[in-house]
Amino acid sequence: DTAVSQTPKYLVTQMGNDKSIKCEQNLGHDTMYWYKQDSKKFLKIMFSYNNKELIINETVPNRFSPKSPDKAHLNLHINSLELGDSAVYFCASSQGLGATNEKLFFGSGTQLSVL
Amino acid sequence: AQSVTQLGSHVSVSEGALVLLRCNYSSSVPPYLFWYVQYPNQGLQLLLKYTSAATLVKGINGFEAEFKKSETSFHLTKPSAHMSDAAEYFCAVSDRTSGTYKYIFGTGTRLKVLA
Repeated sequence: DTAVSQTPKYLVTQMGNDKSIKCEQNLGHDTMYWYKQDSKKFLKIMFSYNNKELIINETVPNRFSPKSPDKAHLNLHINSLELGDSAVYFCASSQGLGATNEKLFFGSGTQLSVL
Repeated sequence: AQSVTQLGSHVSVSEGALVLLRCNYSSSVPPYLFWYVQYPNQGLQLLLKYTSAATLVKGINGFEAEFKKSETSFHLTKPSAHMSDAAEYFCAVSDRTSGTYKYIFGTGTRLKVLA
């Protein structure tokens, strides 16, 4: 039973389209995250939610809008997709607020290709 | 802000040889450091973490890392490489800004194990 699952695994779309990526965790964790991994494998946090409340919002274009209907789900909607949005997007979760010794649990990623 | 630097984006070792992956940190306070591994087409998994309890930290799959304050380093080692160790390895530090914790990841080191 997968701890952090995200769908779809692959997403190929045209520039200008709107798409969503879904994430669910069954670990009972309070905090969920979205990370973006670029083609050079650089991993950068985008958003973090704790109990459905946004706590981290990095300098991400407002075309990206996270939504957390409950603490087990964190979805990412992207409007007007651009070529530069092509990357692997990872969902992750942690028990608390990602404090100093907390472990992150990652999903297997969604590879987004914008044509 | 805290940061980590991984020296060497690619490392190749022969099967059975010592694995050494380098990570240096920059922090004005005692850091909390982590090593994560990413196998192809998967999310990241925690290998080990340093939280000031002991300077030599043992992780999964025979990996260990030593925290050296004088060198601001947290290098990852394994005495004998296996083919299954081929993966991308990320060093990370837990950074607290404005009361919120977040992970800052290094740029990753791809480990190749030669038969």
